[in-house]
Amino acid sequence: DAGVIQSPRHEVTEMGQEVTLRCKPISGHDYLFWYRQTMMRGLELLIYFNNNVPIDDSGMPEDRFSAKMPNASFSTLKIQPSEPRDSAVYFCAIAPRTDTQYFGPGTRLTVL
Amino acid sequence: QKEVEQNSGPLSVPEGAIASLNCTYSDRGSQSFFWYRQYSGKSPELIMFIYSNGDKEDGRFTAQLNKASQYVSLLIRDSQPSDSATYLCAVNIGGGGNKLTFGTGTQLKVEL
Repeated sequence: DAGVIQSPRHEVTEMGQEVTLRCKPISGHDYLFWYRQTMMRGLELLIYFNNNVPIDDSGMPEDRFSAKMPNASFSTLKIQPSEPRDSAVYFCAIAPRTDTQYFGPGTRLTVL
Repeated sequence: QKEVEQNSGPLSVPEGAIASLNCTYSDRGSQSFFWYRQYSGKSPELIMFIYSNGDKEDGRFTAQLNKASQYVSLLIRDSQPSDSATYLCAVNIGGGGNKLTFGTGTQLKVEL
């Protein structure tokens, strides 16, 4: 969990609601990644940023998902509207100039 | 064929034995390889990375890389019950950027 704060840690919401997940890197980094983990599909990369610029969003499942990184210390992942199949653990990870990634504690999302 | 493949397990070993975890990857251009440990309900934690063919040792852990055969392995010597976790193999399959592709993980159980 070193270097990354994620909030909320747990989120329970109803289908159709908007969900916003937050990530705050504490230490220096050049890259920030959003992942989703489920039992069925494992750990999937959704999107990643380099110096606050989105580089690859090919893993974002649908237009319902969007991510922003307005500055080096903050990123959000938004799901609107949420669906039960979005239930998963969402991780934010950071990396310095190398490709070694360090994960935050994750947000467990449940969509009813 | 999946880009990074691991046997899901569970792999059961007795306490004190050597645990051997294997991973194969499909892209011959892959340059860097990582092993993460994930305890149930926690985030992935980096254990080791390896870039060159051969062995790399860190305490009880040894990573082995064979680029010709496209496999990477993790050996855990003197296995302890606290090593019981899921071990994720990750590969930077190239194409630019610091994007890692993860295997689905191998569950290790170290039995008393």
